[in-house]
Parts: sequence; C-alpha cells; structure tokens
Amino acid sequence: AQKVTQAQTEISVVEKEDVTLDCVYETRDTTYYLFWYKQPPSGELVFLIRRNSFDEQNEISGRYSWNFQKSTSSFNFTITASQVVDSAVYFCALSEKGEGGLGASKLTFGTGTRLQVTL
Amino acid sequence: DTAVSQTPKYLVTQMGNDKSIKCEQNLGHDTMYWYKQDSKKFLKIMFSYNNKELIINETVPNRFSPKSPDKAHLNLHINSLELGDSAVYFCASSQDLRGHNEQFFGPGTRLTVL
Repeated sequence: AQKVTQAQTEISVVEKEDVTLDCVYETRDTTYYLFWYKQPPSGELVFLIRRNSFDEQNEISGRYSWNFQKSTSSFNFTITASQVVDSAVYFCALSEKGEGGLGASKLTFGTGTRLQVTL
Repeated sequence: DTAVSQTPKYLVTQMGNDKSIKCEQNLGHDTMYWYKQDSKKFLKIMFSYNNKELIINETVPNRFSPKSPDKAHLNLHINSLELGDSAVYFCASSQDLRGHNEQFFGPGTRLTVL
C-alpha cells in the first residue's frame, strides 16, 4: 500500500496565483515525521520543512505555508503568489521507524507533483 | 563548501559493465543513504549505513554493493549493469538514523546504460 500519496501529478499556474500541493500519508506509528522537498529543474533535492506528528501547528515561511491535519492524514503545502522560480517537482515524504534491528527510520517519498509556473 | 558530493555527475556505460559511484559528506553525519530516482521521478531508498554499518537494504539486487570505508563516505558499486539500472542515483546523509533528522542530498549521478 502506498504510504505517501501525492495525487496531483502536474499543476500549471500563472505567476502570482496561489497553489496548494496535496499530500496524504498512511502510517501505524504514533511518532512520525513529515517532510517536503523541492527538486528544481537543475535536479538537486532541497529540504523545505519537517513536521513531527505531535505538532499540528500550521507553519508559514515567506510565501510558503504548510497545513498538517492528523484527522485526515494530510500535510498540504501552499505557495502564495507563485513565481516562475517555484517551478519544480515537489515531494512529500514520511519518516517512520523501519524494521531494521536498530529501529532505524526510513524516508518514504510520494511520487511528486510537478509545478509549472508561467508568466 | 559542498555538504554532500557525488562523483561522477554523469555516467554512460554499456550493459554488462561494472561501475562505481562515490559519495562523500563533510557534515560530520553518522548516517548515509543511497536512493534511486527512476525516469518517472519516483525516489526510493536503496541502502542506509550508520557509522559504516549497513542498516537498511531495500531488496536491492545483489549486483549493487555499497561500501562505507568510513562514516564520511558511502560508495556504490554496480556489477553487470542492466538497462533497467538507468536512473539518477542520489546519495544523502543525516545526523543519525532517527526519523526527525532531515536528509541532505548530493547533486545526483545520472547513470545511462546503453
């Protein structure tokens, strides 16, 4: 079963529009962590945010904001007043305890949402 | 200063060859990882090492053999390359293997098997 679902494969918006990228996750752990990463056309993976399962406060960082709702197992990401530089693939990821001997955590990525922002 | 570096950035080779990708991190982290990103951008963990010890092996074929000479380095050797191995391989590191740690990724190595 897919643990992290990003149902939007691709989104196109015009600059200055607001856009929300959806992320739904599935886990049996009570303690887990959620992440968003950005992969611009240049290919590197850039960390954006981490949220732990006990902290449901929404977070805002400039034009970026995140809405974490445990009741719906969602961790959505909104970009306000989008810009061309926001064009990238955005990945949501879930970190939960793996099955290894040390209980090491494992990061599971969603399939990504490609955001295209045009002028 | 590059935090996580990989070499080479591009690798083009023939089926059946053996190749290696090197990864180094200068962050002082204990844990390192290899991920594979396929042509559809799907990212999947392959291995993780903590202080040179193998922690996670995600049912990767035996042709893939990671080696960690010290905790700052995690190399990936691939034997008998197949067409399906074509992908971008990312190395990453984190402070330790606990889940709250963000992972820092290298720039990726694009492997093309002809």
